[in-house]
Amino acid sequence: DAGITQSPRHKVTETGTPVTLRCHQTENHRYMYWYRQDPGHGLRLIHYSYGVKDTDKGEVSDGYSVSRSKTEDFLLTLESATSSQTSVYFCAISDVDRINYGYTFGSGTRLTVV
Amino acid sequence: EDKVVQSPLSLVVHEGDTVTLNCSYEVTNFRSLLWYKQEKKAPTFLFMLTSSGIEKKSGRLSNILDKKELSSILNITATQTGDSAIYLCAPSGGYQKVTFGTGTKLQVIP
Repeated sequence: DAGITQSPRHKVTETGTPVTLRCHQTENHRYMYWYRQDPGHGLRLIHYSYGVKDTDKGEVSDGYSVSRSKTEDFLLTLESATSSQTSVYFCAISDVDRINYGYTFGSGTRLTVV
Repeated sequence: EDKVVQSPLSLVVHEGDTVTLNCSYEVTNFRSLLWYKQEKKAPTFLFMLTSSGIEKKSGRLSNILDKKELSSILNITATQTGDSAIYLCAPSGGYQKVTFGTGTKLQVIP
């Protein structure tokens, strides 16, 4: 989507390796989020950020960490990837001034842990 | 724990039909309810509702919220094949407290 990009788009990694996914926005939005989407579970919040260096946990944060050193970048790290972390990961952004427009999602990263 | 239940889980209709998608929720400190459409990739925003009984319309789509019944309905009239997607309901208790339902998968056949 315009204004928000995720990288990589696809990744296959081995169990036990660290993995970092990147979300980059050009909208200068304050809030950024990482979700994972799995069949039967819908979208579940992993971590979110409400400003540079301000982050908090979501409902499924175990095994994940995040960092936000600049407004435009929000990184998600799987410290030691497991097969249960095979999923599609979406980044989203939102802003106080545009609350009536909901979240804007990135195109997703499909991660496979083998 | 916040909960969202969408029904039906899936449905198949013919072009021109009208469909009604349902969303029931239990959310602490409810503030708004959002609907998204997800085709092959990322969800895209459709509606946000905060007030009961006020219908929002966008073309052939309309949406209404009932805060007393803790539910919302999304109607699509004169369906087209381009409406085929997963429709996600997402009640919100704040910026970081959006709970997504698992969605209704709609398939519109010619």
